[in-house]
Amino acid sequence: EAGVTQFPSHSVIEKGQTVTLRCDPISGHDNLYWYRRVMGKEIKFLLHFVKESKQDESGMPNNRFLAERTGGTYSTLKVQPAELEDSGVYFCASSQAAGGPLHFGNGTRLTVT
Amino acid sequence: GDSVTQMEGPVTLSEEAFLTINCTYTATGYPSLFWYVQYPGEGLQLLLKATKADDKGSNKGFEATYRKETTSFHLEKGSVQVSDSAVYFCALRGYGSSASKIIFGSGTRLSIRP
Repeated sequence: EAGVTQFPSHSVIEKGQTVTLRCDPISGHDNLYWYRRVMGKEIKFLLHFVKESKQDESGMPNNRFLAERTGGTYSTLKVQPAELEDSGVYFCASSQAAGGPLHFGNGTRLTVT
Repeated sequence: GDSVTQMEGPVTLSEEAFLTINCTYTATGYPSLFWYVQYPGEGLQLLLKATKADDKGSNKGFEATYRKETTSFHLEKGSVQVSDSAVYFCALRGYGSSASKIIFGSGTRLSIRP
């Protein structure tokens, strides 16, 4: 089966611009998660979708970040406007059950200059 | 809140050396514990896990034992190979309302010299 895929793999944007990251989970996985790793620190939870609904968005850093999962399939994470501290690697993961094993994508490396 | 602390890297070893990467955690109740690995250019992969005290997770020659008394889950391998070079993350997952999140440590970069 195809794994979790993320686009783009790398993105370099200027401060103040907008970037949209995309995640395609494994087919049939209702649970979709976003995480990010900033500056080589720990990987931090951002939010959790169950189908198209946000189950837990307690990790979203501020209102410049908007995540959507229309139709309960792929998800997008938009950063608008981007700031320097948003640079890092953004990981997406999916699972069939909420407590089930997570399957991670390769991540999107975002650099804000 | 729940947290994971793991030894800072980078760690550089010669091939066939013994590896230990320390990991301790803070959590209420009885979390599940994990080690994830990220090989260069790839995503995170689950390496091993343990779901209750005294459980030992193992995979690819790596082992880790869930120690409730010391709140630890140290990763060990008896003889490392160049192909083990990667970043290793210790992690935990609570239950109930905390089960949706996995809490990760900061990662330890391991480099193995031929």
